Amino acid sequence: RKEVEQDPGPFNVPEGATVAFNCTYSNSASQSFFWYRQDCRKEPKLLMSVYSSGNEDGRFTAQLNRASQYISLLIRDSKLSDSATYLCVVSPSGTYKYIFGTGTRLKVLA
Amino acid sequence: DAGVIQSPRHEVTEMGQEVTLRCKPISGHDYLFWYRQTMMRGLELLIYFNNNVPIDDSGMPEDRFSAKMPNASFSTLKIQPSEPRDSAVYFCASSFGSGSSGAFFGQGTRLTVV
Repeated sequence: RKEVEQDPGPFNVPEGATVAFNCTYSNSASQSFFWYRQDCRKEPKLLMSVYSSGNEDGRFTAQLNRASQYISLLIRDSKLSDSATYLCVVSPSGTYKYIFGTGTRLKVLA
Repeated sequence: DAGVIQSPRHEVTEMGQEVTLRCKPISGHDYLFWYRQTMMRGLELLIYFNNNVPIDDSGMPEDRFSAKMPNASFSTLKIQPSEPRDSAVYFCASSFGSGSSGAFFGQGTRLTVV
């Protein structure tokens, strides 16, 4: 089983739609969680950290469910510029390294 | 403030040649990571350093790969000899602290071995 698993998509949604991605992780001792965004032929960029209580940044909401070992990302009012691959990242406790999922591709359509 | 700087941006080399990729982390960051990205396998962690010391190299695919960090502002990833299956984008990333702040990536080196 992979350490971090994501649905590869693509998710094709119209502009203005709400879309949600989930990601599951296998190491129950994982301590830090993030969502990254990667545009085609670019480097991954940190989108937001994911906190136990859930957190929001504008149109983006991230949530963590430790019991079920998954994190989610919700994007409201999708923009064309949101089209990208979204990578789920987990940092296992005591290791200080970042394990990436293979990403979920989002296409926002006009 | 400058981000993570990698060089070269693109490298095309012949099978069997030595390839050296370079990275300058963000000043003040104490962790440095080397990743490889391919369509088939996604982003794989190859090795990471803390305060210039290699901590975990379990992701290094084989003995042909080696990485060094002689000081806090420079790291290299070397492949010798290179093979066509090493073709990928190699990213360097750095972070500060114990995994809670996220890592920041350089623009990557696109390696093609022919």
